[in-house]
Amino acid sequence: EAQVTQNPRYLITVTGKKLTVTCSQNMNHEYMSWYRQDPGLGLRQIYYSMNVEVTDKGDVPEGYKVSRKEKRNFPLILESPSPNQTSLYFCASSFSSGANVLTFGAGSRLTVL
Amino acid sequence: RKEVEQDPGPFNVPEGATVAFNCTYSNSASQSFFWYRQDCRKEPKLLMSVYSSGNEDGRFTAQLNRASQYISLLIRDSKLSDSATYLCVVNTGSARQLTFGSGTQLTVLP
Repeated sequence: EAQVTQNPRYLITVTGKKLTVTCSQNMNHEYMSWYRQDPGLGLRQIYYSMNVEVTDKGDVPEGYKVSRKEKRNFPLILESPSPNQTSLYFCASSFSSGANVLTFGAGSRLTVL
Repeated sequence: RKEVEQDPGPFNVPEGATVAFNCTYSNSASQSFFWYRQDCRKEPKLLMSVYSSGNEDGRFTAQLNRASQYISLLIRDSKLSDSATYLCVVNTGSARQLTFGSGTQLTVLP
């Protein structure tokens, strides 16, 4: 089944404890992206990647890192999480550029205490 | 001004009603337009792309007005299962990234 898989789906952590949210797609998509969704603010792009080893900042990159060493994986790293990073996170991918139809993962709900 | 703006609603309509949502976008160079549907706490899923000539998919009709920079979604004969948040999505900027509106919440009542 073609899909985008995120893990963990739910996580409660404490301020400053590094964490990684993994994202993997099995559709051979070139483009991958991370979004966060907060009430009243909609989906905001954190980082995106046009292809392997190519990553760029989105609208809200502060406090996050990403890497794209392989085509299928695009992990989101929070080096020192803070409470304002409590949010619902979505990974998405598409065949080529971001203007194409996106397939989303099921979401990761992160709470930072 | 936000790049993509939607009326957040909520829209509460009875079953069988026709409901329309509008979405305005600020970048006149935008080329791609979509409507996504998002159920509560779930991931967004593509409902339909929006083409320049307008397009229809069953009970759903999408239209684009480039002159006024808005897109619309019309839902006819609303079903209970149409209850969701509808996200307007537009590609913006030189990198052709997709920008999401904040969503319009629809509840169809029995």
